[in-house]
Amino acid sequence: DVKVTQSSRYLVKRTGEKVFLECVQDMDHENMFWYRQDPGLGLRLIYFSYDVKMKEKGDIPEGYSVSREKKERFSLILESASTNQTSMYLCATDLGLANYGYTFGSGTRLTVV
Amino acid sequence: KNEVEQSPQNLTAQEGEFITINCSYSVGISALHWLQQHPGGGIVSLFMLSSGKKKHGRLIATINIQEKHSSLHITASHPRDSAVYICAVSYNTDKLIFGTGTRLQVFP
Repeated sequence: DVKVTQSSRYLVKRTGEKVFLECVQDMDHENMFWYRQDPGLGLRLIYFSYDVKMKEKGDIPEGYSVSREKKERFSLILESASTNQTSMYLCATDLGLANYGYTFGSGTRLTVV
Repeated sequence: KNEVEQSPQNLTAQEGEFITINCSYSVGISALHWLQQHPGGGIVSLFMLSSGKKKHGRLIATINIQEKHSSLHITASHPRDSAVYICAVSYNTDKLIFGTGTRLQVFP
């Protein structure tokens, strides 16, 4: 089974800090995604990557950037954390074939104070 | 307006009851996914379907392409089924569009 590992389950950061959220997969999946999940809004796509060094903006990229230097690792970066970025962040991967199933990480609950 | 609508938003049931969660979407899709999220956050993919019906244990997922509607059924519900169930669709891309989820609580 594919395993998707997010480096932290819970994280508390201060406003203005630079925050790195890491996601690592142990299979050779092409696509990796970062979502945030907020009550009443469901999961919303921040960024995704379909190959090393390739990235595309999702629906809510503002305030975020990403890095994919190796196929197995996809990092989400909050350049200057703000309180409205307090959320649950979920990483996901899929094989890159249309209609193939997704695998999600266990999530990182980030609180910005 | 969310392109994927789920109902109900919240659902409580007694152990053993038959449960149905509904999902409607607005335009033609290539696939529909049902996902389960337990407290603590991790999401598990339950089903991916583009037509007909799939079954896994006590879970059954159906889709009606003409009516743009899918249902997730749980037979003989159990407290361990308590979770948020999320419907998501894809449109010939690898990106998913998610519903806001249905929170299910099953009481003994």
